[in-house]
Amino acid sequence: QVQLQESGPGLVRPSETLSLTCNVSGVSMSNRYWNWIRQPPGKGLEWIGQIYYNGGTNYNPSLKSRVTISADTSKNHLFLRLTSVIAADTALYYCATGEYNNYIDYWGQGTLITVSS
Amino acid sequence: SFDLTQPPSVSVSPGQTASITCSGDKLGTKYVSWYGQRPGQSPVLVIYEDIKRPSGIPERFSGSNSGNTATLTISGTQAMDEADYYCQAWTSNTFVFGTGTEVTV
Repeated sequence: QVQLQESGPGLVRPSETLSLTCNVSGVSMSNRYWNWIRQPPGKGLEWIGQIYYNGGTNYNPSLKSRVTISADTSKNHLFLRLTSVIAADTALYYCATGEYNNYIDYWGQGTLITVSS
Repeated sequence: SFDLTQPPSVSVSPGQTASITCSGDKLGTKYVSWYGQRPGQSPVLVIYEDIKRPSGIPERFSGSNSGNTATLTISGTQAMDEADYYCQAWTSNTFVFGTGTEVTV
């Protein structure tokens, strides 16, 4: 059974850096694409970026200057780093994976991040 | 940037057919996937690569994609199908999600 479990600080101050971890179980990180997606309260889905198991990355152009996605495949962990956060970064952040780069077949439950002083 | 536009809401009676459209420039040249999201839950893949259904997704869900419009069709809609639905395409090495459609049964 595939399980993706996001974890994070819950609350981040404006201008600080958000760091999230996704613990992966039930599926090998090899030969898969690993994504971060977010959803502001009451709004739609926004793709943040993805990493392939070999380290190749793609990012949303609107966030690219502030985002780093990395992975430790030996520990089955996916990471997100978002710098200089603002209130508009408040959202439910999902870890998600797809066998190919063009769709997602497994999603985590999401972790809520609030940006506030 | 590449935008995908969906109607904000669709209302359907139980047992009837719901059609949700997704519009984008030359969308028919790209693969489209669809996700359903019930309140308080994570999205679930219901259609991928335009017409394929993942295992466990009922046959009443089907998809099509041609020209500038992709369509998700739910035949014989059930109360459990009430959810937000998002289309998604992959273009220029980026994921793009549609604006989302609330389906009310």
